[in-house]
Amino acid sequence: DADVTQTPRNRITKTGKRIMLECSQTKGHDRMYWYRQDPGLGLRLIYYSFDVKDINKGEISDGYSVSRQAQAKFSLSLESAIPNQTALYFCATRGSGANVLTFGAGSRLTVL
Amino acid sequence: QKEVEQNSGPLSVPEGAIASLNCTYSDRGSQSFFWYRQYSGKSPELIMFIYSNGDKEDGRFTAQLNKASQYVSLLIRDSQPSDSATYLCAVNRRGSQGNLIFGKGTKLSVKP
Repeated sequence: DADVTQTPRNRITKTGKRIMLECSQTKGHDRMYWYRQDPGLGLRLIYYSFDVKDINKGEISDGYSVSRQAQAKFSLSLESAIPNQTALYFCATRGSGANVLTFGAGSRLTVL
Repeated sequence: QKEVEQNSGPLSVPEGAIASLNCTYSDRGSQSFFWYRQYSGKSPELIMFIYSNGDKEDGRFTAQLNKASQYVSLLIRDSQPSDSATYLCAVNRRGSQGNLIFGKGTKLSVKP
């Protein structure tokens, strides 16, 4: 099994719908992250969490919310999806003693 | 000036040649530097990281860091078609709580 698992891997939805992307990890890492990737724009940080009680906004948090349900689980929600949220979303984890990020396989979201 | 800059490419090299990928960063206090490889539609995977000025070698890969010039590079010796991917430079900027700032990536194509 993958160290960082994202579900769903692909999702097509309509404008205005609520969407949740889920991430779970088996690495025992404290820190979890959500990034989005758009062609030509690289990886941009949406939210990050250093532990269950610590949630922080990244550079592009507007329109998104997150929940850290447990050390191993970090979900990203789009309360009312819009077409410009169409992107590839990555969850990543990191141990507190290192800077190395481990990424999940990605969730491709299309908002029509 | 963008925090982490890379030429988007594509950079095309013949098989067996040296590929040179470059990255500049704006914060002089940045502390650690990472190179990730990303195949199309896949998640980024760490190639190597470097903290100190100079060169760091790992197999066919060499990372070079020059903090005075705020420049980090990745050399790939004996390039193979399987090296064809997008290479992301990431920087741990001072005061970023350990969060990495990613460049937009350079697309490398190795021609047989």
